Amino acid sequence: AIQMTQSPSSLSASVGDRVTITCRASQGIRNDLGWYQQKPGKAPKLLIFAASNLKRGVPSRFSGSGSGTDFTLTISSLQPEDFATYYCLQDYNYPYTFGQGTKLEIK
Amino acid sequence: EVQLVESGGRLVQPGRSLRLSCAASGFTFGDYAIHWVRQAPGKGLEWVSGISWNSGSIGYADSVKGRFTISRDNAKNSLYLQMNSLRAEDTAFYYCAKGPKYSSGYYYLDYWGQGTLVTVSS
Repeated sequence: AIQMTQSPSSLSASVGDRVTITCRASQGIRNDLGWYQQKPGKAPKLLIFAASNLKRGVPSRFSGSGSGTDFTLTISSLQPEDFATYYCLQDYNYPYTFGQGTKLEIK
Repeated sequence: EVQLVESGGRLVQPGRSLRLSCAASGFTFGDYAIHWVRQAPGKGLEWVSGISWNSGSIGYADSVKGRFTISRDNAKNSLYLQMNSLRAEDTAFYYCAKGPKYSSGYYYLDYWGQGTLVTVSS
């Protein structure tokens, strides 16, 4: 199975900050990667698919990039509602695999 | 409005079986891939299994292969997960999640249910 290494595992930041979360795949996955946001007690929500495509309705401050093995989620200007846990998911082949998650906390 | 409602989660003893269901509405169920994802309390997400629109492509996580079986009934707009030989480490919230349409060139899980809790304990 493809391993997804996500970093950092936690991140402390302030409203208005620019933050970056990375995921590295153990082998090339083209651009078959999505980013998900999860808030406590809630189901995850899709933010970005195919590495850089923003899901309709997701604010444009979220962006994704990368291809092959290295991927990045960037939030350009943190808003209070963005404090959550973020996961990457490789959907290149079965079994799909998630990164370990990044908990984004308020500084 | 897309809705996915999981059911069937409960307390079950190790080694026993359980069947989860996911009832879908608000979209043409038979046109879309569907997945199961689980999350142990306080832990990260783990993809469990996925099934294509026509059941022609099915995948499982290594941790459940040979014990869990995914299936769907497009006439009933329903997804199932048959879980056998349950272990304590299968304890988790189980979510069903909608994948892309069969004609899509993309892959993703764009709508999720609220989950059902499976607890494996004696």
